[in-house]
Amino acid sequence: AQRVTQPEKLLSVFKGAPVELKCNYSYSGSPELFWYVQYSRQRLQLLLRHISRESIKGFTADLNKGETSFHLKKPFAQEEDSAMYYCALHSGTYKYIFGTGTRLKVLA
Amino acid sequence: NAGVTQTPKFQVLKTGQSMTLQCAQDMNHEYMSWYRQDPGMGLRLIHYSVGAGITDQGEVPNGYNVSRSTTEDFPLRLLSAAPSQTSVYFCASSPRTGLQPQHFGDGTRLSIL
Repeated sequence: AQRVTQPEKLLSVFKGAPVELKCNYSYSGSPELFWYVQYSRQRLQLLLRHISRESIKGFTADLNKGETSFHLKKPFAQEEDSAMYYCALHSGTYKYIFGTGTRLKVLA
Repeated sequence: NAGVTQTPKFQVLKTGQSMTLQCAQDMNHEYMSWYRQDPGMGLRLIHYSVGAGITDQGEVPNGYNVSRSTTEDFPLRLLSAAPSQTSVYFCASSPRTGLQPQHFGDGTRLSIL
């Protein structure tokens, strides 16, 4: 079955500390993975996607096919990073499967 | 460009009432979809469409109907509202190519009493 798992509902870190938001997926084909972010009172928006291999707002994510993971990382968290983060899998049949989300709180 | 526009932003219904949530996009995107967002359950796909006249079911389609008569509009209908349909509903669109990210609306917060 196709599935995206985000094991942490809430992750609290102090400002300046490293952040890792976990995402594991289950998919039989070649996955297309995304991270979306929803800041308070804003729309859900794309943060990054694995095919771009880019760094957005200091965040990176590497696809590890062996571990079926796409964890989101940032070396030094900022208060403005506090938001809800969703990992999403495009299943190849025009369906996007989202994880349950992780709320990141960056403490001053 | 307005992007993806959802109306209304808030709505309260009584059990058994019907309602249509509107979604419109001005980006000429082929793909449109509806999700519901519930605490602890993330975003779940209700219905989606890959173009005008083509719709298909997602993960949680029961109790909802959709149609896609134009590229721009993708309304979601609740025929007989139930308290279990209390949720925040998001509409999204993207170009048909799967590698493109989705653009989301602001959401509709729906309460069924």
